[in-house]
Amino acid sequence: GDSVTQMEGPVTLSEEAFLTINCTYTATGYPSLFWYVQYPGEGLQLLLKATKADDKGSNKGFEATYRKETTSFHLEKGSVQVSDSAVYFCALPWGNNRLAFGKGNQVVVIP
Amino acid sequence: DAGVIQSPRHEVTEMGQEVTLRCKPISGHDYLFWYRQTMMRGLELLIYFNNNVPIDDSGMPEDRFSAKMPNASFSTLKIQPSEPRDSAVYFCASSLKGAFNQPQHFGDGTRLSIL
Repeated sequence: GDSVTQMEGPVTLSEEAFLTINCTYTATGYPSLFWYVQYPGEGLQLLLKATKADDKGSNKGFEATYRKETTSFHLEKGSVQVSDSAVYFCALPWGNNRLAFGKGNQVVVIP
Repeated sequence: DAGVIQSPRHEVTEMGQEVTLRCKPISGHDYLFWYRQTMMRGLELLIYFNNNVPIDDSGMPEDRFSAKMPNASFSTLKIQPSEPRDSAVYFCASSLKGAFNQPQHFGDGTRLSIL
């Protein structure tokens, strides 16, 4: 079935460092792709999305490009802040409006 | 605009008690989802509704769990009797009707602790 795979393990980095979180997907057809962010004590929020191949989603300095050739949707940010510390989930829709989520990556930004 | 509203935000109760979690979806959204999040298993879809009708409850762990959606603006998730292993954060989410590729909008969750 349709699914997404995120890289294993938490990510710890210093403020102003470059962040990359990998996400690859398996899907029939060409669904939209999403990145969600979960701040401590809160629900998941949509961070950005891309609806077709080669689309770039962007928000709050984060970007992700829908790459059909490599079936990837990696999340990047050029200069992270302490406030970016959160858990990040890659997701794609399948079935009747369901979402398949990756396992999530905890990002910790150290001042 | 009001987002998805869940109550209570925190619930602590003793094993064996009945627990009721509540959710108000975003107005106009026809899909409603209940999720459970734990460190061990991550985010799990328990059940979802379309136009107040349960579509798939295969994620509900046991008969102790039940969910209802009596109208378009309210849903409940009940656990009876509760057990310590039910301790988790429970999220409700909603999305626009019938539109594939629509994102889901999450509430802030109910943190449930069963002693």
